[in-house]
Amino acid sequence: AIQLTQSPSSLSASVGDRVTITCRASQGISSALAWYQQKPGKAPKLLIYDASNLESGVPSRFSGGGSGTDFTLTISSLQPEDFATYYCQQFNSYPQDFGPGTKVDIK
Amino acid sequence: QVQLVQSGAEVKKPGASVKVSCKASGYSFISYAMHWVRQAPGQRLEWMGWINADTDNTKYSQRFQGRVTITRDTSASTAYMELSSLRSEDTAVYYCARVFGGLDFWGQGTLVTVSS
Repeated sequence: AIQLTQSPSSLSASVGDRVTITCRASQGISSALAWYQQKPGKAPKLLIYDASNLESGVPSRFSGGGSGTDFTLTISSLQPEDFATYYCQQFNSYPQDFGPGTKVDIK
Repeated sequence: QVQLVQSGAEVKKPGASVKVSCKASGYSFISYAMHWVRQAPGQRLEWMGWINADTDNTKYSQRFQGRVTITRDTSASTAYMELSSLRSEDTAVYYCARVFGGLDFWGQGTLVTVSS
């Protein structure tokens, strides 16, 4: 099974900061990766699919990049509503598991 | 608008089974696969499996060692996830989610508590 790791596991940032989260796959997964945002007590929300495609309705400050084994999620200017936990998920092979998550909180 | 509405919270004893439903509306049910994901308290999201709502083909995570079964009823636009031989570690919120690109629409979640 493909293992996903995320770094950092948590970070503290201020409104307006540029934030980058990394997801690394244990083997190549082409561009078959999605990113989600989850707030406490809520279902996850799809942000990015196929590594770099912005889901409809998601603000353009979110962007995704990478292919193969290394991927990034970047928030260009952190907003108050962006404080949440972010997960990556791979769709290349089964099981289509998630990374361990990165919690973004207020500095 | 697309909606996935799941059945209510369940409390089960160890060894029992639970069946969670997920009723879809606002789109053609058979045109999209449905995934099931769970999240134990304070833990990461965990992929369980999916069903092709048109063909009834399924794929499961080996992590559940044959304990999970996903089915669908096209006439009711509803998907089901059944988990058997429950243990305390299965206490979690269970989600259904439609796949298009990524998991683009999610149910509200169903809390399953396993306790003696």
